[in-house]
Amino acid sequence: QVLLQESGPALVKPSQTLSLTCTVSGASISSESSYWNWIRQPAGKRLEWIGRISFTASTNYNPSLRRRVTMSVDMSKNQFSLELNSVTAADTAIYFCAREEFFGSYLIDWGQGTLVTVSS
Amino acid sequence: EIVMTQSPATLSVSPGERATLSCRASQSVSTNLAWYQQKPGQAPRLLIYDSSTRATNIPARFSGSGSGTEFTLTISSLQPEDFAVYHCHQFDKWPGTFGPGTKVDIK
Repeated sequence: QVLLQESGPALVKPSQTLSLTCTVSGASISSESSYWNWIRQPAGKRLEWIGRISFTASTNYNPSLRRRVTMSVDMSKNQFSLELNSVTAADTAIYFCAREEFFGSYLIDWGQGTLVTVSS
Repeated sequence: EIVMTQSPATLSVSPGERATLSCRASQSVSTNLAWYQQKPGQAPRLLIYDSSTRATNIPARFSGSGSGTEFTLTISSLQPEDFAVYHCHQFDKWPGTFGPGTKVDIK
């Protein structure tokens, strides 16, 4: 069973950087087929795909967020991370990490999600 | 970006009844369509992928169909644990996009 767990600050000030980490168990982040994703869900709104990263650190970012997003992997800790800079209240959302079974596919495993609020 | 729409926004169904949920894409996504179930405070759970393939351990009462721009999720006989929000998701074109969800509640 693959488990993913998000961690990071619940509160971020406007204009600062949101940083989250996803710890994976039950699967290796160095899997050649899996891709590791971040998705967010503002209250009452639809899910929004932020981006994905492979174990080789190859990334794809949503064009709407590309200028502010950076993802990375840490194979020694079986983790991957998200940084979103210059945040505003519009970035307040539940952030999920998820595993994509293979490139360009569906999201087969999800973390429980973590609420990040942007407020001063 | 492909825009996904879902109807109805809310579906009120009695336990044991059949539920039919619709999802539409703004352009063809072939059969690259998934459905997820989400309960309050929980992560989405993959139900259906490739339009009609049930994910591991998903009961047979869940079925998916469709191709191109029109898709359907059917729950043949609603069980108490099925009352939730259902999202469709196209993964044909990057970035993948989701529908707004259909809430299935108890009539």
